[in-house]
Amino acid sequence: DTEVTQTPKHLVMGMTNKKSLKCEQHMGHRAMYWYKQKAKKPPELMFVYSYEKLSINESVPSRFSPECPNSSLLNLHLHALQPEDSALYLCASSQGKTSGKTDTQYFGPGTRLTVL
Amino acid sequence: QKEVEQDPGPLSVPEGAIVSLNCTYSNSAFQYFMWYRQYSRKGPELLMYTYSSGNKEDGRFTAQVDKSSKYISLFIRDSQPSDSATYLCAMSASTFSGGYNKLIFGAGTRLAVHP
Repeated sequence: DTEVTQTPKHLVMGMTNKKSLKCEQHMGHRAMYWYKQKAKKPPELMFVYSYEKLSINESVPSRFSPECPNSSLLNLHLHALQPEDSALYLCASSQGKTSGKTDTQYFGPGTRLTVL
Repeated sequence: QKEVEQDPGPLSVPEGAIVSLNCTYSNSAFQYFMWYRQYSRKGPELLMYTYSSGNKEDGRFTAQVDKSSKYISLFIRDSQPSDSATYLCAMSASTFSGGYNKLIFGAGTRLAVHP
């Protein structure tokens, strides 16, 4: 099973709202990722968690706040977003092994976010 | 110059055609090459994964890597309307010591297979 689940599927929020996106995997993967994808563009990496620790923050504005409560869950907390933050937010996971090889990332279906 | 170049298309072919999708790259440290398929409004789905140079076949799909030319290809035989999607190439160097890897994506090629 290579399933990554994300909730909600769709989210509409105002610029003053606070909301959270959730991601879950039960593959025993130890690396989890947040990506942002605009229409007709490839995914852009936002954050990487490795063994529940934040390893990469790609200079993402502080209105996006990631959280990794445990090895299976990844959250993205949203606050005071702008209309240009409207996009598909994708979660991915990988085994996270340091064998000298890369390990493949498996993506969830995404949350389509609209900021009004 | 982008690290990974991919023609965004769109590419329109008749059903049954052989499709060739390509990416070029500039970073010689890349050793791991992936193709993802993404249907409209869905997440990317891993299609093929190849290490270093060579060919890999899976059903109607063949991935080729030519590291000397820094060029990768995905061939789809007997294309079907259900193959209509965006195809993203992605590549990475070795896994970081922290146990994660960073994928560099191409722009994605939009493919339409018409009956």
